[in-house]
Amino acid sequence: SAVISQKPSRDICQRGTSLTIQCQVDSQVTMMFWYRQQPGQSLTLIATANQGSEATYESGFVIDKFPISRPNLTFSTLTVSNMSPEDSSIYLCSAWSPYSEAFFGQGTRLTVV
Amino acid sequence: GQQLNQSPQSMFIQEGEDVSMNCTSSSIFNTWLWYKQDPGEGPVLLIALYKAGELTSNGRLTAQFGITRKDSFLNISASIPSDVGIYFCAGQLGVGNTPLVFGKGTRLSVIA
Repeated sequence: SAVISQKPSRDICQRGTSLTIQCQVDSQVTMMFWYRQQPGQSLTLIATANQGSEATYESGFVIDKFPISRPNLTFSTLTVSNMSPEDSSIYLCSAWSPYSEAFFGQGTRLTVV
Repeated sequence: GQQLNQSPQSMFIQEGEDVSMNCTSSSIFNTWLWYKQDPGEGPVLLIALYKAGELTSNGRLTAQFGITRKDSFLNISASIPSDVGIYFCAGQLGVGNTPLVFGKGTRLSVIA
């Protein structure tokens, strides 16, 4: 089965700075998604990363805060911009193809101080 | 947005006991999935269900897609310490390329 490599696995960042999280899949996938998981909580969809076009954001998430790129069928990035302590969370990349159900990277644990 | 009601929120059981958890929704889902998340890791798929009434097993795990398509349960038989983790149900409203809606999770602790 396909594997997602997500990095960094964790980071501690200063407020006001930005962090870019990378998600690399070892095979081409149709769909890629970004989720946020706040401590002890469930997964909330941030956006669908569309290959070659702008991401589709869920209610409550905006492109200026969470810009997303997906230049090809195996790679995507999520940037958390102008961070505040409220952005401390786990960010998860997910992928889907017609040959498998959604699978996930190991997540990026972000702490903003 | 859509929500899945997952219960119980947490469970403490003795090793060897059976476990049951369930999810309900006010919406009809086309697919139900069950994931397990270990600390510091992403969710890992356990079982996928595609048809109303479907009962599927994966080793000691058994899951069913409710006949109304609004609910699902997961059973774990003869629990072992490595079953510890957070179990999430997830539903898919549309076809396979639509994102998942997750339940709040069931945190399972197994006492040896």
